[in-house]
Amino acid sequence: EEQVVESGGGLVQPGGSLRLSCAASGFSVSTYWMHWVRQAPGKGLVWVSRINKNGRTTDYADSVRGRFTISRDSAKNTLILEMNSLRVEDTAVYFCAKDFVGPYDQWGQGTLVTVSS
Amino acid sequence: QSVLPQPPSASGTPGQRVSISCSGSSSNVGRDYVSWYQQLPGAAPKLLIYNTNQRPSGVPDRFSGSKSGSSASLAISGLRSDDEADYYCVVWDNSLSGYVFGTGTKVTVL
Repeated sequence: EEQVVESGGGLVQPGGSLRLSCAASGFSVSTYWMHWVRQAPGKGLVWVSRINKNGRTTDYADSVRGRFTISRDSAKNTLILEMNSLRVEDTAVYFCAKDFVGPYDQWGQGTLVTVSS
Repeated sequence: QSVLPQPPSASGTPGQRVSISCSGSSSNVGRDYVSWYQQLPGAAPKLLIYNTNQRPSGVPDRFSGSKSGSSASLAISGLRSDDEADYYCVVWDNSLSGYVFGTGTKVTVL
């Protein structure tokens, strides 16, 4: 069974850093585009970033470009999101998604990131 | 990051048909495939429609998607109580080089 499980969320002060992981099972993260999507408490969905199958192409939302970095660890079959210079407005549940908007779309349950002093 | 306007709410009685609109522009809805997600409270989003009008395996044909120009729509026919959820459209925006979601529509079954 294919599954993705996010981890690494928590409480961090403004300006701090956090590293999110998305462990995949039942498939290889190298065979699909992989994405991060976030949702602030009580708010709508916002696309954050994506990485292509070979890891050489990445895209970011304007709101996180230059602060967040998406990558993969193929040996651990894991998607990663490095988040720096965090802001209060980055507070959200972060979801990892395989094949976003595709027929084999699969999401995790999300990990909560809270940026607060 | 811009968002695509959707009506904040829609409602109907069991068995009725409900339609949700998603307004875009020539840089997104007007030029690319639209997808639709359903999100139940406290759950991860679930894909209902991809490539504007295609349903993934397991999604009932009560859900259908369409597009005309820069506006897309999701229709739910034979409304059921378990259709109560938030619904979001999403599409690639060529000007932003990123995906943009709709503002979301809360569907209530009366």
